Order: sequence, then structure tokens, then C-alpha cells
Amino acid sequence: DAGVIQSPRHEVTEMGQEVTLRCKPISGHNSLFWYRQTMMRGLELLIYFNNNVPIDDSGMPEDRFSAKMPNASFSTLKIQPSEPRDSAVYFCASSLGYGQETQYFGPGTRLLVL
Amino acid sequence: QKEVEQNSGPLSVPEGAIASLNCTYSDRGSQSFFWYRQYSGKSPELIMFIYSNGDKEDGRFTAQLNKASQYVSLLIRDSQPSDSATYLCAVNGDAGNMLTFGGGTRLMVKP
Repeated sequence: DAGVIQSPRHEVTEMGQEVTLRCKPISGHNSLFWYRQTMMRGLELLIYFNNNVPIDDSGMPEDRFSAKMPNASFSTLKIQPSEPRDSAVYFCASSLGYGQETQYFGPGTRLLVL
Repeated sequence: QKEVEQNSGPLSVPEGAIASLNCTYSDRGSQSFFWYRQYSGKSPELIMFIYSNGDKEDGRFTAQLNKASQYVSLLIRDSQPSDSATYLCAVNGDAGNMLTFGGGTRLMVKP
């Protein structure tokens, strides 16, 4: 299995620009998670999908962030407009679900907003 | 607010020694517990999980769980320089498949 796939791996953009991060979960996994990791705040859960439906988005920092999962094999996290404080590594993870909580992480997207 | 606490370290041990990493959690209803390893610049990777009180061994790694004390630990025997990484403790409660992660402990194994 290819594991969780994320793109792009690195993104440098200017403040105010729209940023779209992409994730392909492991085939057959029913749960998908978006995390943000910074030195100051560690690994934070942003949003969690189960069977393509958002279950908990309480970690989404503000309205500038949005996430979608149009089908079982694709999810996006969008930041519009981006700000320098959004600079972080964004991880996507997936799990089998149905009580199997082990999460497998993608390689992450390193975002720098200038 | 569910919390998972870890000493940030760094924890420094000599090569060949036992490294002991500790984690406490606030949600008494937590059911499953995970240890992830994260090398610098890489993504977290699962080392092992534990569900029941007691010890679970996998090679050089042993996870220990004490639900009464709300405490989970990871022992690494015969520590190697390649074990130098940040170790993240994660806990699952009753909220579906969500995990709450601790801040991680940075381990340094010195040759």
C-alpha cells in the first residue's frame, strides 16, 4: 500500500493568498484527520471525517480554514486568505475506523506564509 | 478538556541503556493508548498500542499501562542512537476515532 499521500510537500506563499492542501487516505480507511504541527502548540487536530462526513471541526482555528472530503479517496484543506501565523506542517492521517483507531500519517505539507 | 501530558525533555541516555518515557492523561474513560515516534522533519509513525492494564512487549519496546493511575509509559531497552527522536503519546477516549496527542518527549541517545 502506498500509505497516505499528501501534496504538495512544500508550499511557500505570500500573505493573503489561497492555499489548498491535498490528501489521499489509505484505500479502505473510513476516517480521515487533518492536523497542524508547530513548535509552540505541538500536534493539533483540526478536523476529522468519518465516511466522508465531517464529525468534529472544533479544532479549525477560524473561518479562513475549510476542509472537504468529496469522496473516500480525496480530501482538501483550504486556507483563504493565508496569514504568516498559519506557517506550520500540516499532516493528514487516516484510520480504518469502526473502533480501529490506529492512525497512519502522511508525510506532511510544510507551509510557509511570507 | 481532555489532556495528555508528557515531559518535553530532552531525555538523554547513553547507548545501551533503558530509556523510560512517561505520559499521563486526564480522561478516566480513555480506552486505548498509542506511542508514536517522530524523527525530525518526518511524520509520526506508530510504534505500538496498548489497551489493557499491564505490560505489552514488542522487541526492544515495552508499553506499560496503569488505568487506575492514568499513566502510560514506554520503555526502550538497549537504546540506540537511531532511537533519538520525539516520542508522542496519544490517547483515545469515547469520542469515536479521535486521538488526543501529548506534546512529545524528545529522546537523545548518546553513543
